[in-house]
Amino acid sequence: IAGITQAPTSQILAAGRRMTLRCTQDMRHNAMYWYRQDLGLGLRLIHYSNTAGTTGKGEVPDGYSVSRANTDDFPLTLASAVPSQTSVYFCASAQAGGTDTQYFGPGTRLTVL
Amino acid sequence: GQNIDQPTEMTATEGAIVQINCTYQTSGFNGLFWYQQHAGEAPTFLSYNVLDGLEEKGRFSSFLSRSKGYSYLLLKELQMKDSASYLCASMDSNYQLIWGAGTKLIIKP
Repeated sequence: IAGITQAPTSQILAAGRRMTLRCTQDMRHNAMYWYRQDLGLGLRLIHYSNTAGTTGKGEVPDGYSVSRANTDDFPLTLASAVPSQTSVYFCASAQAGGTDTQYFGPGTRLTVL
Repeated sequence: GQNIDQPTEMTATEGAIVQINCTYQTSGFNGLFWYQQHAGEAPTFLSYNVLDGLEEKGRFSSFLSRSKGYSYLLLKELQMKDSASYLCASMDSNYQLIWGAGTKLIIKP
């Protein structure tokens, strides 16, 4: 059982390029989340999905988009990367959202130059 | 606004007890979570409190006072592997987690 996988593990990207971070879970969790983690700041929610086919905006959604075509996958796309998007990105999932425990993937370290 | 405060760094000795405090202010409240995060790794769940009082789970305990907007994580019999960051997060009225910046705990032999 893999849990949650993310790809790539790390990436260096030129500003202005498009990038999709992948997230897959095999726990059949309904809710999925994307966070970014920056030094000195708490995790910040970018986008979330309570169930396949629905998505919502978190605290810092600008410059990011997501889709949830099925239960397992929740990709995060940066349409035109900027240096301020340099961060560690974590995907998480929870059984049914709400107060259910969120389980995190290993993260993607993204550097935008 | 929404705010979570916790100390940036703490140091403790192996075998001792340490208490990590967290104060929170969120729009609505649906519980308080504690996660552990080792350097370069993903956060992992430690505890969830929604009612006032102390919840004990092995060497780790978590306390909540809703009236004071306050929680703490108590770690007993500290081990070197407990060196990590401890993240406090409050769940707001929209069921979104608002996270503190984390407390880096350094364990010395």
